[in-house]
Amino acid sequence: AQSVSQHNHHVILSEAASLELGCNYSYGGTVNLFWYVQYPGQHLQLLLKYFSGDPLVKGIKGFEAEFIKSKFSFNLRKPSVQWSDTAEYFCAVNAVDNAGNMLTFGGGTRLMVKP
Amino acid sequence: GAVVSQHPSRVICKSGTSVKIECRSLDFQATTMFWYRQFPKQSLMLMATSNEGSKATYEQGVEKDKFLINHASLTLSTLTVTSAHPEDSSFYICSARHRDRGWFSYEQYFGPGTRLTVT
Repeated sequence: AQSVSQHNHHVILSEAASLELGCNYSYGGTVNLFWYVQYPGQHLQLLLKYFSGDPLVKGIKGFEAEFIKSKFSFNLRKPSVQWSDTAEYFCAVNAVDNAGNMLTFGGGTRLMVKP
Repeated sequence: GAVVSQHPSRVICKSGTSVKIECRSLDFQATTMFWYRQFPKQSLMLMATSNEGSKATYEQGVEKDKFLINHASLTLSTLTVTSAHPEDSSFYICSARHRDRGWFSYEQYFGPGTRLTVT
């Protein structure tokens, strides 16, 4: 079974700082990778996803993530964060040969951006 | 597009009673819906996967007789917490997979969640 770990549980940044949130997964086969964001009081929304092709994926709101297969990683980045990026971020993995279409989530990273 | 709603958003019930939570895909048809549970300051844990017209598949450790799931149509799935106890208090979130985006889409759309408090 696959598992996902997010190393940073809490991150505090000032506006305009650069962001990188780590995500590592354990699964030897082909995976689909996702980053979801949950703004305070709101539901989960998809930020970006990787299925195949270019390992550098661009998502909404200036976020991007890079899939490094050799490192089993899918780190999320943003060059300059804004106060409105304050939210909880979840990395999720789906094993392609998992007929149940199950998503496994990481523990989440709570980001606070100070104005 | 691809909006998922849940009802109710919050519910408080007494120990021993049953509570039903609805999950609806508002503008698309969902062949598969998922139910998650989120404890405070923790990640989402998949409880079960339900396919329209068939029995739900429960994850290990989830009691199927306690958490009854019905996926009667392509736009509605319900989770009933039977004989609820305080330890069932949690945030329950559903998600749906878009039927028309292919089996290999894997993308899920999430509802806003239901906070259940059992007193």
